[in-house]
Amino acid sequence: SQKIEQNSEALNIQEGKTATLTCNYTNYSPAYLQWYRQDPGRGPVFLLLIRENEKEKRKERLKVTFDTTLKQSLFHITASQPADSATYLCALDESPSGTYKYIFGTGTRLKVLA
Amino acid sequence: DSGVTQTPKHLITATGQRVTLRCSPRSGDLSVYWYQQSLDQGLQFLIQYYNGEERAKGNILERFSAQQFPDLHSELNLSSLELGDSALYFCASSVQAGATGELFFGEGSRLTVL
Repeated sequence: SQKIEQNSEALNIQEGKTATLTCNYTNYSPAYLQWYRQDPGRGPVFLLLIRENEKEKRKERLKVTFDTTLKQSLFHITASQPADSATYLCALDESPSGTYKYIFGTGTRLKVLA
Repeated sequence: DSGVTQTPKHLITATGQRVTLRCSPRSGDLSVYWYQQSLDQGLQFLIQYYNGEERAKGNILERFSAQQFPDLHSELNLSSLELGDSALYFCASSVQAGATGELFFGEGSRLTVL
């Protein structure tokens, strides 16, 4: 079955720098992939969706890329701020036939240092 | 505020007991998803309903059951509770089953089993 791998180690970066988070999947390439932000004890909040035919998607300071050859999506936050500190999750549908089972990675915790 | 309402926010109970978690999706959303998030664990997909019908099932224990009612609210029933069932239980909704759009998460119900 499809598995998602995100770096479980926390990522600490200096304010103003670009944070880059990685999401790798193991099997087929999904039709689309989503990124969410989760603050401690809160529900995840949707950030961006990228489709398999899109190489890149941007929203304000956020950028997502999708490389089906590498089976990888990268999530970038430019000009990072302490308020960006959170856990970032990627998600995709578990099977290529669309089973509606959105699975999530364990997330990468980002800490932006002032 | 995502528009998804979950009750109760916190629940403390004993092993062997049964609890019911309730979720009201966003107005107009037909799909409801349930996830379990244990300490330091990722979001585990439990089950999904669309307009009252079960559409996808994850690693949901036989002791757990769920349903979606005609008014589209959903309930997750957890019985014969064990210590390991202590977790945050999230409900999410979306407009339609398998939509490529975002999932809107509630703030979760924190279950503690003593």
